[in-house]
Amino acid sequence: DQQVKQNSPSLSVQEGRISILNCDYTNSMFDYFLWYKKYPAEGPTFLISISSIKDKNEDGRFTVFLNKSAKHLSLHIVPSQPGDSAVYFCAASVYYGGSQGNLIFGKGTKLSVKP
Amino acid sequence: GAVVSQHPSWVICKSGTSVKIECRSLDFQATTMFWYRQFPKQSLMLMATSNEGSKATYEQGVEKDKFLINHASLTLSTLTVTSAHPEDSSFYICSARPLAGVYEQYFGPGTRLTVT
Repeated sequence: DQQVKQNSPSLSVQEGRISILNCDYTNSMFDYFLWYKKYPAEGPTFLISISSIKDKNEDGRFTVFLNKSAKHLSLHIVPSQPGDSAVYFCAASVYYGGSQGNLIFGKGTKLSVKP
Repeated sequence: GAVVSQHPSWVICKSGTSVKIECRSLDFQATTMFWYRQFPKQSLMLMATSNEGSKATYEQGVEKDKFLINHASLTLSTLTVTSAHPEDSSFYICSARPLAGVYEQYFGPGTRLTVT
């Protein structure tokens, strides 16, 4: 059973517009969420994260929103640029007993930003 | 900062042979390193977690005798695929977590393994 779900395998956006990538989770114990960006044949690159005590975190063009009641988070990229074209993975973690839990990844969403 | 390297970046081997993949944290110490496997169009699947100086913890369904993990120092972990078979062909990615207190993991560039 998938605990982290990215239901859209792909998304196409025009350059300059907003990209919204969605992620749903089922485990209410998750308390930290991360977004990673991945190019083909490369390892993921950390983008932005959010703790469960917050509902928004912003870093430049990237903003992550967390809705705990809906168990939903989203990544907004504004404005989108062609270089943002990549696969975006949502990941979640549980902090327990003084040690950090492992990351649980979604299947990813492939973003294509068209010039 | 927070750079993780993997070597080799790609390898082709014959069925039945063993392959060793190295994962190094170049500018930080990592008490914990992770090994993932990614199939085409699939998510990253955690294979095992290794802590420096202790035995690795394998995820359910991962054969520990087939995928040998050694975490000999705070900057190096190795994954050895023993008696490789074509179904072991995959993209293997390691990540490293800096010393306790953070959630983030920093990923290596991955190793493409092809078993013929």
